[in-house]
Amino acid sequence: RKEVEQDPGPFNVPEGATVAFNCTYSNSASQSFFWYRQDCRKEPKLLMSVYSSGNEDGRFTAQLNRASQYISLLIRDSKLSDSATYLCVVNNPLEFGNEKLTFGTGTRLTIIP
Amino acid sequence: SQTIHQWPATLVQPVGSPLSLECTVEGTSNPNLYWYRQAAGRGLQLLFYSVGIGQISSEVPQNLSASRPQDRQFILSSKKLLLSDSGFYLCAWSPIRGAGANVLTFGAGSRLTVL
Repeated sequence: RKEVEQDPGPFNVPEGATVAFNCTYSNSASQSFFWYRQDCRKEPKLLMSVYSSGNEDGRFTAQLNRASQYISLLIRDSKLSDSATYLCVVNNPLEFGNEKLTFGTGTRLTIIP
Repeated sequence: SQTIHQWPATLVQPVGSPLSLECTVEGTSNPNLYWYRQAAGRGLQLLFYSVGIGQISSEVPQNLSASRPQDRQFILSSKKLLLSDSGFYLCAWSPIRGAGANVLTFGAGSRLTVL
């Protein structure tokens, strides 16, 4: 099983629609979770952290299910500018107190006018 | 505020040539520093990370090496490039602890094509 697994898509969604992505992770000791956004040929940028109780930032809602080891991202009222690749990121504890972030391969989203 | 600079942005190198990519961070002290590679159509692969000057951990055996000669400087090198080294190389930093720990901020990336 991959450490972090995402549906690669592509998701082609009409403007204004709601879209949801899921991501599963294999390490039950993981403690920190994030969603990053990456535009074509650009660097990834943090979209939002994912908290245990779920959290919302405007049109974006992130949720964590520790029992099933998955996180989700919901985008409401999608805009053309939401077109990007969304990366699921999970931390994996290493030895000596260090941690390593593991990235999923990303889910590609295209919003259609 | 903190900023991260990475260069060169683009380079085309022949097989067997050397490589040096440089990354510097401003506005913070003692950052964790990382080198990632993103091959075409694939996810980000962690190559090296560093928690301090001269402290380098390698994640994947390869013909690349990294060095941290100064607190906020991270260099990725190779003595002889392979075709498989082509990709998008990203430097990143994160706070060593406290608020924002584990949150990565990336440089703009260096796109390497090996011919």
